[in-house]
Amino acid sequence: AQKVTQAQTEISVVEKEDVTLDCVYETRDTTYYLFWYKQPPSGELVFLIRRNSFDEQNEISGRYSWNFQKSTSSFNFTITASQVVDSAVYFCALSEDGDDKIIFGKGTRLHILP
Amino acid sequence: NAGVMQNPRHLVRRRGQEARLRCSPMKGHSHVYWYRQLPEEGLKFMVYLQKENIIDESGMPKERFSAEFPKEGPSILRIQQVVRGDSAAYFCASSPRGPYEQYFGPGTRLTVT
Repeated sequence: AQKVTQAQTEISVVEKEDVTLDCVYETRDTTYYLFWYKQPPSGELVFLIRRNSFDEQNEISGRYSWNFQKSTSSFNFTITASQVVDSAVYFCALSEDGDDKIIFGKGTRLHILP
Repeated sequence: NAGVMQNPRHLVRRRGQEARLRCSPMKGHSHVYWYRQLPEEGLKFMVYLQKENIIDESGMPKERFSAEFPKEGPSILRIQQVVRGDSAAYFCASSPRGPYEQYFGPGTRLTVT
């Protein structure tokens, strides 16, 4: 069965600190896709990244970076030098190859304090 | 190229009324997905449609909920005889070719009073 666990329900950090959001997934498939989405207070869903299971290279995009480790079934997300605008709920998600849906974790609510 | 459009953005219904949520996919996208987000929860898959066909409705409640994606016009998610527990954000996503490339709309927030 496929499952996504985001153990951190809520995190608060002071602006400019680095913060890592954890994501652990379960799947029996060898081919799958992992995602991160941001949901700001306005409510829309903002796509951040998609990674397929064959690409374990870490990704960096500006202040955002992702660490994909198949050995531990984790796909963690780090924000460097956090800013107040990063305050949002962040969702990790999984889609197995051939499946029709994306399975979302319950999300981590991130508060960046000025 | 406009993104996925959903309307209305906010919908208030009294218990027992019907709710109709509309989703216009991105141009050229023939795959539509509906998800529901209950308060303080992640999104949960409801249904996957292609033009005139329901492909996977494994996440749809068995009663009161239905979805369609006609040959012309938007996809519609219909909830009959709404109850308080239907209050949620309903997101639509579209894709040109499959679930791993879904573009989400802004969502419709349904409140049942």
